[in-house]
Amino acid sequence: QKEVEQNSGPLSVPEGAIASLNCTYSDRGSQSFFWYRQYSGKSPELIMSIYSNGDKEDGRFTAQLNKASQYVSLLIRDSQPSDSATYLCAVTTSGTYKYIFGTGTRLKVLA
Amino acid sequence: DTGVSQNPRHKITKRGQNVTFRCDPISEHNRLYWYRQTLGQGPEFLTYFQNEAQLEKSRLLSDRFSAERPKGSFSTLEIQRTEQGDSAMYLCASSLGQIQETQYFGPGTRLLVL
Repeated sequence: QKEVEQNSGPLSVPEGAIASLNCTYSDRGSQSFFWYRQYSGKSPELIMSIYSNGDKEDGRFTAQLNKASQYVSLLIRDSQPSDSATYLCAVTTSGTYKYIFGTGTRLKVLA
Repeated sequence: DTGVSQNPRHKITKRGQNVTFRCDPISEHNRLYWYRQTLGQGPEFLTYFQNEAQLEKSRLLSDRFSAERPKGSFSTLEIQRTEQGDSAMYLCASSLGQIQETQYFGPGTRLLVL
């Protein structure tokens, strides 16, 4: 079992729809959770971080964390073609500051 | 604050050659990380520094790889006797050094080994 799992996609949604991206992790001691966006050929850029159970909203983005079920999700409201990218889930586990990344989910927003 | 910078941005080399990459973190960030990313995969951790101390190294970091951060500022990653399997994007990130913290990534160095 991989430490951090994401569906590789592509996930296709029409413009204006809600895109839902999911990530599961295996280490129950995981403490910090991050969503990064990566455009093709570019480096990851931070969208959101979340550390405690529940929802965290920032503009069109909402991150949801459920530690009991070991998943973290990202909702993108009013999706735009410019949101088309790969979304990476990253987790820090207990005792270390390094990130463990999933393979990323490729999102395509259709105009 | 100009962000994390990496040089060179692209490197093409022949198998067996040595290459060195440089990373300049955001000023006042005391943690610096190196990751490697291949096509279709997420970044994989290689190593990290707190100030000048190298605190963790991945098993991915074979004896052909060495990283330094001599004065706790910029860092270098050297790959000796490159192999085709070393072709990847090498990403550097830095962070302030707090318990719950965000890593900020540089633009990466894309390495192609022929």
